[in-house]
Amino acid sequence: DAGVIQSPRHEVTEMGQEVTLRCKPISGHDYLFWYRQTMMRGLELLIYFNNNVPIDDSGMPEDRFSAKMPNASFSTLKIQPSEPRDSAVYFCASSFWGLGNQPQHFGDGTRLSIL
Amino acid sequence: EDQVTQSPEALRLQEGESSSLNCSYTVSGLRGLFWYRQDPGKGPEFLFTLYSAGEEKEKERLKATLTKKESFLHITAPKPEDSATYLCAVQARLTGGGNKLTFGTGTQLKVEL
Repeated sequence: DAGVIQSPRHEVTEMGQEVTLRCKPISGHDYLFWYRQTMMRGLELLIYFNNNVPIDDSGMPEDRFSAKMPNASFSTLKIQPSEPRDSAVYFCASSFWGLGNQPQHFGDGTRLSIL
Repeated sequence: EDQVTQSPEALRLQEGESSSLNCSYTVSGLRGLFWYRQDPGKGPEFLFTLYSAGEEKEKERLKATLTKKESFLHITAPKPEDSATYLCAVQARLTGGGNKLTFGTGTQLKVEL
């Protein structure tokens, strides 16, 4: 079975440019999560969706960050304008509710470098 | 606010040298505690879920245990392929459901020959 698919795997861009990260969750999963991982702060939840609807975006650092989920098989995380402090690894994860304790399955991340 | 603290930050073991990793947590009603393994350049990979104090789960050389305040990941006779970062996360009971996890910063394990 295909896991969570993220693209691109690596992104290097200059400060001020728009960055779009993409995620395809596992088919049948109704939750989708966006995380950011840095050495200093570890894995931080940015936003999560249930059935394509944003449920909690309290982790989104600033208005420069936005996320959408237009359908059950695709989500984007956009940063505009990007800044050097946004450099991190961004992970997408998905899960289904089931009995309520189903584990989240992660993609391999997008390593973002803002110069 | 839910908090997860993992110790030690880094651990170096010789092959066959058993040890334990610690995950201390504070959460407003624990729904589940999760252990993940993360290899360099990869996303976290699910290992275990623990639900209540006293519960234990095993997988090969790994055994996870849970108390009301902490969880331990015991590694018995580790091999070099067990080298990875091990992450602990908690899921709180939320009114109306929800599936939000709070992660610790991980323990980086290195097993040497």
